[in-house]
Parts: sequence; C-alpha cells; structure tokens
Amino acid sequence: GAGVSQSPRYKVAKRGQDVALRCDPISGHVSLFWYQQALGQGPEFLTYFQNEAQLDKSGLPSDRFFAERPEGSVSTLKIQRTQQEDSAVYLCASSSPSGSSYNEQFFGPGTRLTVL
Amino acid sequence: RKEVEQDPGPFNVPEGATVAFNCTYSNSASQSFFWYRQDCRKEPKLLMSVYSSGNEDGRFTAQLNRASQYISLLIRDSKLSDSATYLCAGGNQGGKLIFGQGTELSVKP
Repeated sequence: GAGVSQSPRYKVAKRGQDVALRCDPISGHVSLFWYQQALGQGPEFLTYFQNEAQLDKSGLPSDRFFAERPEGSVSTLKIQRTQQEDSAVYLCASSSPSGSSYNEQFFGPGTRLTVL
Repeated sequence: RKEVEQDPGPFNVPEGATVAFNCTYSNSASQSFFWYRQDCRKEPKLLMSVYSSGNEDGRFTAQLNRASQYISLLIRDSKLSDSATYLCAGGNQGGKLIFGQGTELSVKP
C-alpha cells in the first residue's frame, strides 16, 4: 500500500514568512510523529499525535512551531516567522499500535526547508 | 552527553567484509530499539527492530545488551549497496524515538 507522503518536497522561504508542511500518514495508522533533521545529524523529535490528540510537543523548538491533526489523519506542521536556523529537513513518520508490539515508525520522504 | 550515541565514522570497508556498529543509550527506561538505514538525501528506512533475544535478517544481525545499555548491528558479506548511513534509535513503546547521529558506511569494490 501507499507509504507516508509529504508535501511540498522542497520549500524555499524568505526569513519572516510563514510555512505549512503537510503529512499524509499510512492509511489506518493511529500515531503520527514529526521530526527535524539537520545536515549530518539524526532526526530530532518535534511532536507526536495519537489520532487527533497531540500527546507530546516537547520537541517543538519555539512557539513559532505549531502542529495539528484535526481529523486524526492528515497533519500540518506550521512554522511562523521563519528564521534561518529553521532550515532543515522535516520528516513525518507514522505507526500503528495494532499488530506490532514494537510500534515501528515509517517515514515519509521529508520536506527540505531552506530559509533565506 | 547525548541520549543515544554512535560513532559517526566513516567506516570504509571492502566488499565482502564484516562490519559492526555499536550504539549506546543512556535512558534505561527505553523499551524499543531500531536500526534505520538512510541513503543520501532520502528518508530513514526501517532496517530492523532490535529484540531482547537478538535477531537476524539475512546478512544483518542486531543485538541488545540492556546491562551495558548498547545495541549493535553486524553486517556480514558487505555489498556495495550497503553503503549508507545507519541510524540507531530508542524509545518508549508507541512514543517518540531518540536517534543517534548516524554511522556512515562506505563499501568499496
């Protein structure tokens, strides 16, 4: 079946612009995660949803970052007033608690954000 | 100290070699562990979940040592196509994953 999809794949923003990044998880996956990956580093956790409930947003770096998943499927990560340090790849992952006690997470292709 | 640590490498090995990566974690509450493979400018792809008893999938073997708080990945008979960055990750069941920096592997002919 289809994997996790993300759009746009690339985004160039001028400093101060707002951006919105979309994630479509694997159909039926209950849990959805957002990660930020800087060059040469591993992904770093941003936030996590179970269905429409945001259970953990401890990784969001500032109040300029906001995520939502209003109907428990598609999620949007919004970054307001972008700064150059926001430049990174934003990865979305989904997992399903059913059928696997290990809750493997499967990643989308990411959105590469460049802030000029 | 980072919660999950890996030697960034690069590990340069000839085709056919056996190579092993270790990854240490500091959170003793971590319950689930994984190895992901990431190719340049691509997303991480799940390679293996790491079970307490150890597990093997073809040329790949993963081990978990809870007492010493490390996980390992062994790749036998390396192929050119194994060249990638290998990420280890740990977390609580169903929750966020904490990733290491990644270990770069380059397999040469």
